Amino acid sequence: DGGITQSPKYLFRKEGQNVTLSCEQNLNHDAMYWYRQDPGQGLRLIYYSQIVNDFQKGDIAEGYSVSREKKESFPLTVTSAQKNPTAFYLCASSWGGANTEAFFGQGTRLTVV
Amino acid sequence: SQELEQSPQSLIVQEGKNLTINCTSSKTLYGLYWYKQKYGEGLIFLMMLQKGGEEKSHEKITAKLDEKKQQSSLHITASQPSHAGIYLCGADMRESGTSYGKLTFGQGTILTVHP
Repeated sequence: DGGITQSPKYLFRKEGQNVTLSCEQNLNHDAMYWYRQDPGQGLRLIYYSQIVNDFQKGDIAEGYSVSREKKESFPLTVTSAQKNPTAFYLCASSWGGANTEAFFGQGTRLTVV
Repeated sequence: SQELEQSPQSLIVQEGKNLTINCTSSKTLYGLYWYKQKYGEGLIFLMMLQKGGEEKSHEKITAKLDEKKQQSSLHITASQPSHAGIYLCGADMRESGTSYGKLTFGQGTILTVHP
């Protein structure tokens, strides 16, 4: 079945550590996105990629990094520079361009301990 | 301030009641998407609206985009406990002349339906 898979579902990180969240899709979508969700704030865009080997900063990119070496994969690294990393992270993909809906993964809940 | 405002922020209704959630923007929307989310899970796509005045329905859920394409409403008829969750509107708010649009989301509406 086609879909978008995020792993792990739950992740704990010690302060000062980098951590990488996985996102894989087999929908053959060109565009992929990372969002952060905090209570009462909806989703905020961290990074997005329209094509392999290219990505752009979203609204809250500071403290995060991404790579897009393969069409199906868009991992997100939360670095120690991110001051408040505890949140729910959602990955999405779409065909790109205008008026195409995004398909979302099940999310990763990151907690800093 | 939020570019896309949803109201109300939360809603508690009795099973069988109708309800409406609104999504308002100060800019013209090039596409408006409604999603539903169960707590701690991903978003499930409900409907997409593109044209001013457009209306779409799926089962007991109807979404409309106004003529000016700056406001959308989501209406649920005869609500059921299965409708409970977080409803989010997302919009393509790209600047005129660009071909690619990122989705901007409202803050979500938490719906509780009491049996």
